[in-house]
Amino acid sequence: KQEVTQIPAALSVPEGENLVLNCSFTDSAIYNLQWFRQDPGKGLTSLLLIQSSQREQTSGRLNASLDKSSGRSTLYIAASQPGDSATYLCAVLGGSSNTGKLIFGQGTTLQVKP
Amino acid sequence: KAGVTQTPRYLIKTRGQQVTLSCSPISGHRSVSWYQQTPGQGLQFLFEYFSETQRNKGNFPGRFSGRQFSNSRSEMNVSTLELGDSALYLCASSLEASYNEQFFGPGTRLTVL
Repeated sequence: KQEVTQIPAALSVPEGENLVLNCSFTDSAIYNLQWFRQDPGKGLTSLLLIQSSQREQTSGRLNASLDKSSGRSTLYIAASQPGDSATYLCAVLGGSSNTGKLIFGQGTTLQVKP
Repeated sequence: KAGVTQTPRYLIKTRGQQVTLSCSPISGHRSVSWYQQTPGQGLQFLFEYFSETQRNKGNFPGRFSGRQFSNSRSEMNVSTLELGDSALYLCASSLEASYNEQFFGPGTRLTVL
């Protein structure tokens, strides 16, 4: 059974700091991994999608890496801003059961202080 | 291009009632998935529809059902509501298969009293 864990659960940093969010999964047989952002009471905004054959993806100040063999992904945020404050979720698709559903971590709640 | 839309955005129901939630995917997307989000359980997969057929189903009781129409719009229905059904219900759409990037709607906040 696929399980996704995100560490840390919460993070508070001063504006301008570079930071790394971690995601680990137990079954390396995944189709892809997707990082999302969720603002309080809102839906999910897709940030980056990494296919299983890829090692990383970049979008602006965001960079996500994937190491399937070790079951890990990291989301790197450069030069953090107060507007980056949100909950960040990682989700994997697939696994040995191949149910086609996203399995989510519990998220990391980020606060960036001005 | 318009994003995923969900209606209604907020609902208040009482125990025992039933409710229908609607999701319109991004134009051209044929796969629609539904998720339940609660503070205790996080995000959990309900089901996925593709070409009007349920392709995958999560571990939820039969009170939760759904369908998809020929225009890819989807509805989910919850019958005999329980207090524990209070949650944010999120719909996601993707192009063809669920392994494409999934895009989420704003959600429907359901409160059961």
